[in-house]
Amino acid sequence: KAGVTQTPRYLIKTRGQQVTLSCSPISGHRSVSWYQQTPGQGLQFLFEYFSETQRNKGNFPGRFSGRQFSNSRSEMNVSTLELGDSALYLCASSEDRRNYEQYFGPGTRLTVT
Amino acid sequence: GQNIDQPTEMTATEGAIVQINCTYQTSGFNGLFWYQQHAGEAPTFLSYNVLDGLEEKGRFSSFLSRSKGYSYLLLKELQMKDSASYLCAYKVSGGYNKLIFGAGTRLAVHP
Repeated sequence: KAGVTQTPRYLIKTRGQQVTLSCSPISGHRSVSWYQQTPGQGLQFLFEYFSETQRNKGNFPGRFSGRQFSNSRSEMNVSTLELGDSALYLCASSEDRRNYEQYFGPGTRLTVT
Repeated sequence: GQNIDQPTEMTATEGAIVQINCTYQTSGFNGLFWYQQHAGEAPTFLSYNVLDGLEEKGRFSSFLSRSKGYSYLLLKELQMKDSASYLCAYKVSGGYNKLIFGAGTRLAVHP
C-alpha cells in the first residue's frame, strides 16, 4: 500500500496570503489528523476529520480550517498568513477512530516571508 | 490542563542502553505513544501503551505507569541509525485521534 502523501512538499508564501495543503491518506483509512510542527512548540494538534466531519479541534485561531472529501482526502487552509505560521504541517491517517496507530505523511514545509 | 515533559537531549554510545523518560499531567488519558523522527522526515510509530507495564518489541521497550503519569522508552543495543528525536504523546480521553505531544528528545548515538 502506498503511504500517506502530502502536496506540495515545500511552499513559500508572503504575509497576508492564504494557502491550501493537501493530504491523501493510506487507502482504506478514513481518519485524517493534521499537526503543526515548529522548533519552539513541537508537534501540535490542529484538527481531525472522519467521514467528512471535523471531530476534534486544537487551540488554533479560526484562520486555520480544513475539510475532508468523500474519498477521505483532506485539505487544510490557512488564511491571512502570519510569519509565525512558518512550520512543517503533517497529516496522519488511521483506519478508523478506534484504531490507535496513526501513519504520518512526509509533511509540507511552509515558509511565510 | 495538559502537560507533557521529556528531556531535550541525550547522548549515548553505540551498543549501550538508553532510557528516555516522559511525564504527563492530564485530566483525561487514553494511552501513551512513542514515535521516532529522523531529521527532515515524518514521525514513525514505535509503541502504544494503554495499560500499566512493559511492552517489548525487539530492541525497543516502552513502560507505562498511569498512577504516576510516567512512561519511558528503552532502547537496547544502540545503533548509529537510532540517532533521532523521540516523541512521546498521549491520546486525549474521548478525543479519539487527538494526540498531545511532548517537545521531543534528541538522541545522539556516538561510536
